[in-house]
Amino acid sequence: DARVTQTPRHKVTEMGQEVTMRCQPILGHNTVFWYRQTMMQGLELLAYFRNRAPLDDSGMPKDRFSAEMPDATLATLKIQPSEPRDSAVYFCASGLTRRGDSGIRRTNEKLFFGSGTQLSVL
Amino acid sequence: SQQGEEDPQALSIQEGENATMNCSYKTSINNLQWYRQNSGRGLVHLILIRSNEREKHSGRLRVTLDTSKKSSSLLITASRAADTASYFCATAPGEFSGNTPLVFGKGTRLSVIA
Repeated sequence: DARVTQTPRHKVTEMGQEVTMRCQPILGHNTVFWYRQTMMQGLELLAYFRNRAPLDDSGMPKDRFSAEMPDATLATLKIQPSEPRDSAVYFCASGLTRRGDSGIRRTNEKLFFGSGTQLSVL
Repeated sequence: SQQGEEDPQALSIQEGENATMNCSYKTSINNLQWYRQNSGRGLVHLILIRSNEREKHSGRLRVTLDTSKKSSSLLITASRAADTASYFCATAPGEFSGNTPLVFGKGTRLSVIA
C-alpha cells in the first residue's frame, strides 16, 4: 500500500540541538504539508509545497524552523536551535493537486498522513 | 487559527449506539472533509463532501453539510469498539480550492465502550 513515511518516529533531544525530520511522500503526489499537533493548539499548518516549490510557510517560526524539498521524494523540516516549546507531534501529509475542468486547481481533495514524529525537547 | 470547531470535544457511548459529531466553520468553503486519528497514529481520511452536496454516505458513515449554517455532522451508526478514536473536520476555505490548504479543527474524542 502506498503510504507517507516519516522518520524518525520518536526524537528526544536537549534544548539548543538541531532536529531534522524527514518525510517521503506518496509517489506521484505533488503537494506536501507539514503540520504540528499539540493538545493546546490542535493541528497547525507549518508549511506546504507544490511541485517542490514552497507555497506558504507563514505558520513556521522563521528564525528557527526551515522546510525544504530537495527532491520529489524527500521533504525535510529542521529546527535549529530547538526549544522545549517545540515539543509536539509533527506530521507530514501528501496529496495530489490537479486542474479541474474549469482550469482551476482542485487542491487537497484528500490528504494522506504519515505516522508522525514525536519530538520531545528537554 | 482553526476554521472548523468540532462539538462535542469528547463523546462516550456504548457499542451498538450511534455517534454524532458536529463541525462548525466560519468562512465559505470548497469542500469539507472528515478524518479519524487513532492514538499515536496519523490522520486517516474518511469522507469528503463538496459545498454543493448536502449528504453523503460511506459504509456506516453519514455526513451532512448545511452551508447556510456553516455546519456539518458526522454520524457513525452501530458503533464498534474499533471506532474509538479522535475525529477531525477539515475545511478547504474559499469558493475555489485555489492554493488554500486544509484547516483542521481540534477534534472530537470518541470512546466506544464494549
